[in-house]
Amino acid sequence: SYELTQPPSVSVSPGQTATITCSGDKLGDQYASWYQKKPGQSPLLVIYQDRKRPSGIPERFSGSNSGNTATLTISGTQPMDEADYYCQTWDGSTPYVFGTGTTVTVL
Amino acid sequence: DVQLVESGGDLVQPGGSLRLSCAASGFTFNNYAMNWVRQAPGKGLEWISYISSSNNIIYYADSVKGRFSISRDEAKNSVFLQMNSLRVEDTAVYYCARVAILTGFPQDYWGQGTLVTVSS
Repeated sequence: SYELTQPPSVSVSPGQTATITCSGDKLGDQYASWYQKKPGQSPLLVIYQDRKRPSGIPERFSGSNSGNTATLTISGTQPMDEADYYCQTWDGSTPYVFGTGTTVTVL
Repeated sequence: DVQLVESGGDLVQPGGSLRLSCAASGFTFNNYAMNWVRQAPGKGLEWISYISSSNNIIYYADSVKGRFSISRDEAKNSVFLQMNSLRVEDTAVYYCARVAILTGFPQDYWGQGTLVTVSS
């Protein structure tokens, strides 16, 4: 089955840039989405179709996807961005696949 | 506003059954595919099941195939998840999510979740 691998954790200082990677075989051939998940809250879509932001998502969230890696970048990270982040793609064999998840800590 | 409201979560014994519901409002329900996604305590997000807008395409994760069944009722603007032969490892918060009409099928709206606890 298809797998998406993320680093377990990323630490960043306020105002700095957080980079979260998501690796999967030929992931760049498919669209990637990213979700933010805070404790006690529902997941929130922050990036879709690799690099598009839904309405209401701050411009500091950006995405890219090429080769085997999709990347979520949070520029000027704020304390409110502390959360778990999950990548996701649509695969023909297992329609929806989530990444392993990355905890972003804003120190 | 788009709203998804799950219900039906409960404490159930291993081997038991449960039916989750997700009531949708604020959009034309029959135009959208729907997903169920769960998160076990301390674990990541896990996609469970997908049902197309026309009800003719259904997918399940291997972990629930043969035990869970997804359905939808257009008249009630609702999607359901029938869960049979429940196991301890099915303990999780279950979310329903709307699938956006976009290539890549992102899930653009989520419910608040309903807790299913499987324990003796």
